[in-house]
Amino acid sequence: GNSVTQMEGPVTLSEEAFLTINCTYTATGYPSLFWYVQYPGEGLQLLLKATKADDKGSNKGFEATYRKETTSFHLEKGSVQVSDSAVYFCALSGGYQKVTFGTGTKLQVIP
Amino acid sequence: GAVVSQHPSWVICKSGTSVKIECRSLDFQATTMFWYRQFPKQSLMLMATSNEGSKATYEQGVEKDKFLINHASLTLSTLTVTSAHPEDSSFYICSGTDHNSPLHFGNGTRLTVT
Repeated sequence: GNSVTQMEGPVTLSEEAFLTINCTYTATGYPSLFWYVQYPGEGLQLLLKATKADDKGSNKGFEATYRKETTSFHLEKGSVQVSDSAVYFCALSGGYQKVTFGTGTKLQVIP
Repeated sequence: GAVVSQHPSWVICKSGTSVKIECRSLDFQATTMFWYRQFPKQSLMLMATSNEGSKATYEQGVEKDKFLINHASLTLSTLTVTSAHPEDSSFYICSGTDHNSPLHFGNGTRLTVT
C-alpha cells in the first residue's frame, strides 16, 4: 500500500533560517505529491503540489521537487518567518481521491 | 477559493451521548466527502469515504454503527459519533471534492468525551 514517511519534529528554527523537512514515499504507480499546512486552531490547507516526476511545486516561498529516483518530496524554504510556525504534512494521492498523509512535522520559528 | 465549513469547531460531551459534526461545501458541489481522524502527534487517518446519495465506505477497523455518516446532498455531509466514549476523543476533519480540483478541508472539530 501507499505510505509517507516524514521527519519527526518538532523543528525549531530562528527567523530567517533555512528550512528542510524531509519526506519520502512508497506508492504504486505515479502518485501526485502534496504538502499541506495546518496552522494552530485551523484545518489543513494545501501548500503546494507536484503531479509528475521532476515537477517543482512552490508557494509562499516554499518549494518541493518530485524526485522519483529517490522517492522523495522534501520541503524547503530559504528564510522562514514566525508566521510559518505550523504543522506540515507530506501526502500523496493516486488522484483526487484518497490521500495518504505522513505523521506531520511541527515547525516553530522563534524571533 | 473553495470552502468547506465544518461545525462545531469544538465540542465536549458526556460519555454515552451522541455528537453530530457537519461539513458543508459553500461554493462547490462535494460529490465525495472524506472523513478523517487525527490522534495527538499522529497523522490523519481516513475513516470513511462518502459519495452523495450512497452509503459510506468505511476503512478497515472503523465501526460503521458507531460513526454514522450521511451525505444526503452535494453540499452537506454529517458524521455522528454515537454513544461516545473517552477513547473517541480526537480531532475529526472532513474534506470534499467535486473531482475537478484537489481536496478542500474543513477546519476540523475537536471532540472531548468526559
